[in-house]
Amino acid sequence: SYELTQPPSVSVSPGQTASITCSGDKLGDKYASWYQQKPGQSPVLVIYQNTKRPSGIPERFSGSNSGNTATLTISGTQAMDEADYFCQAWDSTTIFGGGTKLTVL
Amino acid sequence: EVQLVESGGGLVQPGGSLRLSCAASGFMFNRNWMSWVRQAPGKGLEWVANMNQDGSEKYYVDSVKGRFTISRDNAKNSLYLQMNSLRVEDTAVYYCARDMGCGGGTCYYFGYWGQGTLVTVSS
Repeated sequence: SYELTQPPSVSVSPGQTASITCSGDKLGDKYASWYQQKPGQSPVLVIYQNTKRPSGIPERFSGSNSGNTATLTISGTQAMDEADYFCQAWDSTTIFGGGTKLTVL
Repeated sequence: EVQLVESGGGLVQPGGSLRLSCAASGFMFNRNWMSWVRQAPGKGLEWVANMNQDGSEKYYVDSVKGRFTISRDNAKNSLYLQMNSLRVEDTAVYYCARDMGCGGGTCYYFGYWGQGTLVTVSS
């Protein structure tokens, strides 16, 4: 079965750039999406179809997808960006990565 | 404004049944694929099931096939999940989600999520 692998945690200083990766076999041939989930809240879509931002998502959130890796990049990271981030793709069924806890310190 | 409001969660014994509901508003419900996604306590997200606009296509994750049934009532703008033969490992927050980016029977992302309803399976 298809798997998506994310690092369990990523740390970043305020104002710096955070990069969260998601790895899967030939992931670049699929659409990747990213969700942000803050404690006690529902997931929120932040990137879809690899690079697109939904309305209302700040421009500091961007995405890329090539080869075996999709990347969520947060430029000028703010304290409010501290959350869990999940990647997602479709390969015969919908698959989620295990999630990455982003710490802003 | 899109709203998805789940209800029906609770505590149930192993082997028991529960029916979850999701009330949708703010969009054309009858034109959208819809999904259930769950999250075990402290764990990641797992897609559970989805269905197309008229209910003619339904898909399930292997672990719930034969036990869970997804359905909808477009007249009531509502999505349901009937859960039978519940197991301890079904304990999770269950989210209703709107499938988006759909084509050819495949949907690529979830644009909107409800607040979730907690299902606890325990003796």
